[in-house]
Amino acid sequence: AQSVTQLGSHVSVSEGALVLLRCNYSSSVPPYLFWYVQYPNQGLQLLLKYTSAATLVKGINGFEAEFKKSETSFHLTKPSAHMSDAAEYFCAVSFSGGYQKVTFGTGTKLQVIP
Amino acid sequence: KAGVTQTPRYLIKTRGQQVTLSCSPISGHRSVSWYQQTPGQGLQFLFEYFSETQRNKGNFPGRFSGRQFSNSRSEMNVSTLELGDSALYLCASSLEGTGGNEQFFGPGTRLTVL
Repeated sequence: AQSVTQLGSHVSVSEGALVLLRCNYSSSVPPYLFWYVQYPNQGLQLLLKYTSAATLVKGINGFEAEFKKSETSFHLTKPSAHMSDAAEYFCAVSFSGGYQKVTFGTGTKLQVIP
Repeated sequence: KAGVTQTPRYLIKTRGQQVTLSCSPISGHRSVSWYQQTPGQGLQFLFEYFSETQRNKGNFPGRFSGRQFSNSRSEMNVSTLELGDSALYLCASSLEGTGGNEQFFGPGTRLTVL
């Protein structure tokens, strides 16, 4: 069975500081991995996804994530936090094939301090 | 293209009642998934429909049901509401299926059960 663990339900960073949100997955087969962002009172929006083409994935709004198979990790980073990055971030795992359901982590709320 | 729309946006019901939520996917998308989002549990997968057929189901009681129409619009029904059903219900659509594909989320329906 697939699962995702996000370490830290709340993360605070200063504006301009590095953002690091952690995600570890459990899977018996090569996974697809996603990061979604949810702003208040909105649905989720895809930031980036890993589909085995490249281990370093660049997404929107300056975010990127690196797939590390040996560590079963897919951490999300951004070099310099902006106030507009304050939101909740979800890591998710799935597999190829339209029948595969997506499993989401419990989310990490990012607070950006001015 | 119009995004995923969900109606109503807010609902207040009392225990024992039933409720129907509606989701209109992005035009051309054949897969619709439903999720329950609560502060403690994160996003929990309810079910996925593809071309009017339920392809996947999460671990929810039979009080939760859904269907998809020929135009890909989907409805979700919860019967005999319980206090614990209070949550944000999110609908997501994708072109061919959840697999490795991006899901596009609606803004959700906030259900409060009193």
